Amino acid sequence: GDSVTQMEGPVTLSEEAFLTINCTYTATGYPSLFWYVQYPGEGLQLLLKATKADDKGSNKGFEATYRKETTSFHLEKGSVQVSDSAVYFCALRDTDKLIFGTGTRLQVFP
Amino acid sequence: DAGVIQSPRHEVTEMGQEVTLRCKPISGHNSLFWYRQTMMRGLELLIYFNNNVPIDDSGMPEDRFSAKMPNASFSTLKIQPSEPRDSAVYFCASSPGASGRAVQETQYFGPGTRLLVL
Repeated sequence: GDSVTQMEGPVTLSEEAFLTINCTYTATGYPSLFWYVQYPGEGLQLLLKATKADDKGSNKGFEATYRKETTSFHLEKGSVQVSDSAVYFCALRDTDKLIFGTGTRLQVFP
Repeated sequence: DAGVIQSPRHEVTEMGQEVTLRCKPISGHNSLFWYRQTMMRGLELLIYFNNNVPIDDSGMPEDRFSAKMPNASFSTLKIQPSEPRDSAVYFCASSPGASGRAVQETQYFGPGTRLLVL
């Protein structure tokens, strides 16, 4: 079945460092792809999404490009802040369900 | 907008007891989702409703779990009897999606209920 694989954390960075969190997927069709973020003690929030190949989703300085050839949707940010510390989930939409990766914890230190 | 509201935020109970988790979706949203989050299994969809009707309950782990949505503004997830392996964070989410498009819409998550079964 469809699945999402993302890099294990935690990812530990200093403030203003460059961030990449890898996400690859397996799907039979052409799914929509999402990144959700979960701040401590809260539910998940949609960060960005892309619905077709070569689309780039962006929000709050984060970007991810839907790469069909490599089945990837890596999350990037050029300069992270302490406030970006959270757990990030990659997900795909499989017809009627969202399938989530296991999440990657990001810790940003001043 | 108050967002998705879940209660209780924390629940500690003993094995064998009945547990009821509650969710109030965002007003006007047509779809409601129940998820379970654990370290071992990550985030799993348990069941989702569209216009108060259960559409897919294939993620419900077993007969001990049941979910209802008696009206557009309220849903419950019940575990009876509860077991220690049910310990997890349970999230409710809602989306504006109409029938057939539910998961294409952005889902808005509640803060979750942290359940501990001793």
